[in-house]
Amino acid sequence: QEKVQQSPESLIVPEGAMVSLNCSFSDSASQSIWWYQQHPGKGPKALISIFSNGNKKEGRLTVYLNRASLHVSLHIKDSQPSDSAVYLCAVSMANNAGAKLTFGGGTRLTVRP
Amino acid sequence: EAAVTQSPRNKVAVTGGKVTLSCNQTNNHNNMYWYRQDTGHGLRLIHYSYGAGSTEKGDIPDGYKASRPSQENFSLILELATPSQTSVYFCASGDNWGTGQLYFGEGSKLTVL
Repeated sequence: QEKVQQSPESLIVPEGAMVSLNCSFSDSASQSIWWYQQHPGKGPKALISIFSNGNKKEGRLTVYLNRASLHVSLHIKDSQPSDSAVYLCAVSMANNAGAKLTFGGGTRLTVRP
Repeated sequence: EAAVTQSPRNKVAVTGGKVTLSCNQTNNHNNMYWYRQDTGHGLRLIHYSYGAGSTEKGDIPDGYKASRPSQENFSLILELATPSQTSVYFCASGDNWGTGQLYFGEGSKLTVL
């Protein structure tokens, strides 16, 4: 069974700071790695994914994947109070029928104005 | 925007009672999922389905049944509810190509007394 660990558990930063979130996983055969954002009382929403080793940038978000070390990180540039949320790392295992996601415990981010 | 709706949003049940959580999606996705979310455990997969008439066990299926009578609807059934099943339950649908992008509902908060 896939194991997904996230760190830190919580993080408080001032507005405008760079945020770095970490995720480690156990199965090197995993396929896409996803980051989801969850605001209080809401369902998670997909933010960004990565499949290949290296990095991927979308707007203020950059994700880095190192399959050899089974590690992925999410970096948020110029953080805003609206970025305050729980961030969930998810590892996708897919077959011909569809994908099955295993989630980490999440990192709670608070961005202070 | 993909749409997944859950009902009821809040439910209080008694120990030993039967609970049914319902989920409807208008995305025409083949794949649907039920997760529960608890502090310290993140999101854990209970059951999932690859299409109408099919259900698969996830990582924590004990005490739960699932039903997928149609493409649009996926239900989670607790035949004999216990206090340990008090949680927030999320339904999600996933695209037919197994990318790992899931679309979540707003959640159903279940309290078993």
